Order: sequence, then structure tokens, then C-alpha cells
Amino acid sequence: DSGVTQTPKHLITATGQRVTLRCSPRSGDLSVYWYQQSLDQGLQFLIQYYNGEERAKGNILERFSAQQFPDLHSELNLSSLELGDSALYFCASSDSGSLYIQYFGAGTRLSVL
Amino acid sequence: GESVGLHLPTLSVQEGDNSIINCAYSNSASDYFIWYKQESGKGPQFIIDIRSNMDKRQGQRVTVLLNKTVKHLSLQIAATQPGDSAVYFCAENMGLPGTALIFGKGTTLSVSS
Repeated sequence: DSGVTQTPKHLITATGQRVTLRCSPRSGDLSVYWYQQSLDQGLQFLIQYYNGEERAKGNILERFSAQQFPDLHSELNLSSLELGDSALYFCASSDSGSLYIQYFGAGTRLSVL
Repeated sequence: GESVGLHLPTLSVQEGDNSIINCAYSNSASDYFIWYKQESGKGPQFIIDIRSNMDKRQGQRVTVLLNKTVKHLSLQIAATQPGDSAVYFCAENMGLPGTALIFGKGTTLSVSS
């Protein structure tokens, strides 16, 4: 168990809908990262937050957004969903003592029908 | 663009054999590399890491080798066990600590007994 908790584990929705994925980092970790994993693209970095502020952006679509709350949990919002958004979404966290090592949650599997 | 990649998408070995999983990277400025193991239905799990000022690092049954001259790293697993069956990813950090990881596409290791 990495200590990173993601909910829900599975999400099935329809095109055009909006969903929210939730992540609780390891206790004390200030950095949260979101990644998307699809069969043909591997693990792709989406966005990073550090102590409530956006730190870096990767290949994140404008339809997607995220935030990190004062209690350090994070949410990834996906809107106007398309079939191609079906993927595994992972959250990872890292601490100030080992900022390179990222610990991953079990992921949320999103299926857009 | 710059990316981390793996030479082989799949590797099949017998239980007890030593496994070698390879990874090539393109950015000579990368200063940190991590190997992750991802089992079916789970998130990536940290295995071992290495900094660019080292060429070898050993863990429990695993060794990572870094050859900066040819921009190549490898993960060696000694006495491979069925529980080692998973997808293995190398990842690199190209910036400051706490920045996103760039992942290769992964090698699926299958261990038969």
C-alpha cells in the first residue's frame, strides 16, 4: 500500500458528461501529480500541485482541470467527456525529503461510453 | 521530442533466471532515473532509483545500471520469481526535484515456473 488513496476505483459515464476524480496523498506529502495511462500512450503527466498551488502542467486538455485543497487532497475534473478520455488516471505524491520519488495510488479507471 | 523508451515491449523468462530490462533515454541533461513495477490492476510501485552521478545501484535482488555515454539504463532482476511478473517502466526527471516524471512505454515481464 503506497499510502495514496484514489476514489472511485471505477467510473462509467457517457460522452459529454463531467466527472471528478479524488486523490488523498500520503500523510505529509505536499506535492500531488496526476497522470493518464492509456494503452497506446503509456503514462502521461497531466498536472502537478504543490501545497495548494499549480506547479507544472503537462499534456492536459483544456477540458480537464484540477485543484489541491488546504487539506492537501486533490481533485481532477474532466468535462465534456469523449470516448478517447477512457483511461486509467493515477495520482501520485511526493514529500520534501525525497522529491524525486513519486508514490502512486491504485488509479481510477474511467470508461466513457 | 525527448522521451524515455524501452527496447523490448515483452520479456519472457523462466523462474530462477536473471532478467534484464533495458531503457534508452534521449536527454543527456536528465539527472535522475527511476524504475517502477506495475502489476495488473495496480498503480506503479517504486523499485529503485539512480542519480546521474552514479553508474550502478543495488537493491534487494535488483540492480540498476546507468551508462551515460550511450544514454542507456537497465534493470537487472536476480533469480526472477513468478511474483515479478508485471510491467516495468523506467522514468526520468529532467528538471528540479519535485517535477514531473517522463515515462517510457514499459516492458511486460512474464515469468513462467
